[in-house]
Amino acid sequence: ILNVEQSPQSLHVQEGDSTNFTCSFPSSNFYALHWYRWETAKSPEALFVMTLNGDEKKKGRISATLNTKEGYSYLYIKGSQPEDSATYLCAFIVSGAGSYQLTFGKGTKLSVIP
Amino acid sequence: GAGVSQSPSNKVTEKGKDVELRCDPISGHTALYWYRQSLGQGLEFLIYFQGNSAPDKSGLPSDRFSAERTGGSVSTLTIQRTQQEDSAVYLCASSLARAREQFFGPGTRLTVL
Repeated sequence: ILNVEQSPQSLHVQEGDSTNFTCSFPSSNFYALHWYRWETAKSPEALFVMTLNGDEKKKGRISATLNTKEGYSYLYIKGSQPEDSATYLCAFIVSGAGSYQLTFGKGTKLSVIP
Repeated sequence: GAGVSQSPSNKVTEKGKDVELRCDPISGHTALYWYRQSLGQGLEFLIYFQGNSAPDKSGLPSDRFSAERTGGSVSTLTIQRTQQEDSAVYLCASSLARAREQFFGPGTRLTVL
């Protein structure tokens, strides 16, 4: 059974603060890692798909890094805004025939206080 | 363009009844996934379709759950003889190919009384 761990479970920050959270996953048979943002009453929305060790991706104030050898990814948000409040999910997919499913972590719930 | 749509948005049913949940993926997306999120839990994979075939059904929790996809497009998830533990939000997602970013529908909230 694959286990994807996210920490912290929840986080409260002040508007303007920068923050980061962690996704840990099994380092063997790595294929891809996804980050999604899930706002209340909306559908999960893809942020990044990462496949290469050392990958760094950026979208506006949000960026992510990937270390496949040690099995972790960090998501960073610079200058948090109230609209960043959401649950951030990471999901992992293994390589190999017959491996199709994304295994999701339980998410980090971010609340940005104005 | 149109995103992934799901219907109904909410479904309340009595224990023991059958329910059908529908998913319309983004046109041209060959990969389609069903997930569910039970209260306090993460997203749980149920089944994956590539075209009309389902090479991975490993997440279906019991033989009361089945799914089909027709025309490489619409998919239905059927739950027979619903139980209270089936209460959850059922999400559908589609993507261009395996491991590519997934586009999620708004979900169906199922409540089994």
